[in-house]
Amino acid sequence: DAGVIQSPRHEVTEMGQEVTLRCKPISGHDYLFWYRQTMMRGLELLIYFNNNVPIDDSGMPEDRFSAKMPNASFSTLKIQPSEPRDSAVYFCASTLSPSGGIYEQYFGPGTRLTVT
Amino acid sequence: DAKTTQPTSMDCAEGRAANLPCNHSTISGNEYVYWYRQIHSQGPQYIIHGLKNNETNEMASLIITEDRKSSTLILPHATLRDTAVYYCIVRAANDYKLSFGAGTTVTVRA
Repeated sequence: DAGVIQSPRHEVTEMGQEVTLRCKPISGHDYLFWYRQTMMRGLELLIYFNNNVPIDDSGMPEDRFSAKMPNASFSTLKIQPSEPRDSAVYFCASTLSPSGGIYEQYFGPGTRLTVT
Repeated sequence: DAKTTQPTSMDCAEGRAANLPCNHSTISGNEYVYWYRQIHSQGPQYIIHGLKNNETNEMASLIITEDRKSSTLILPHATLRDTAVYYCIVRAANDYKLSFGAGTTVTVRA
């Protein structure tokens, strides 16, 4: 398996523009997570899905952020409008429902977003 | 509230064992101890987890104290590629979220 795939790997945009980050989870995984990592705040969970349904979006910073999962193999995280403080590395992770107590999230390589 | 406490950083000599401590004094009976690591510019990677027994896999060993209030991750023969931030995470069995703290920055030196 190719692992979790994220695109683009790097994104540079101007303040006020819309940004869309994409994620393809590992085939067969039923949970998908979006994280954001900054030097100041570390690695934060933004939202996660189970079977394409958002379960917990309490980490989404504000209404400018939205996430969708239209099918089991694709998810998007959108920021509209973007602001310089959104600059961060955004990670997507996926996992399969725990079996035998084992629970391992598989992370993608991340998208480095820079908003100027 | 932080559920775990780890040292900010530590150095280790290549080829030697690296012992990474973690305090989780408020851990509940149904909570597991998980360890992940993040190599620079990569996503976090699962290492190992345990409930109350010591665990070992191809990457590391996990020693959990009898009262479960602390644990130690052991990298038996550290290599330069083990340089990373190591996160100790406490997770309830029915909780699908992972809360990452600041972790321990481990630098393996030649």
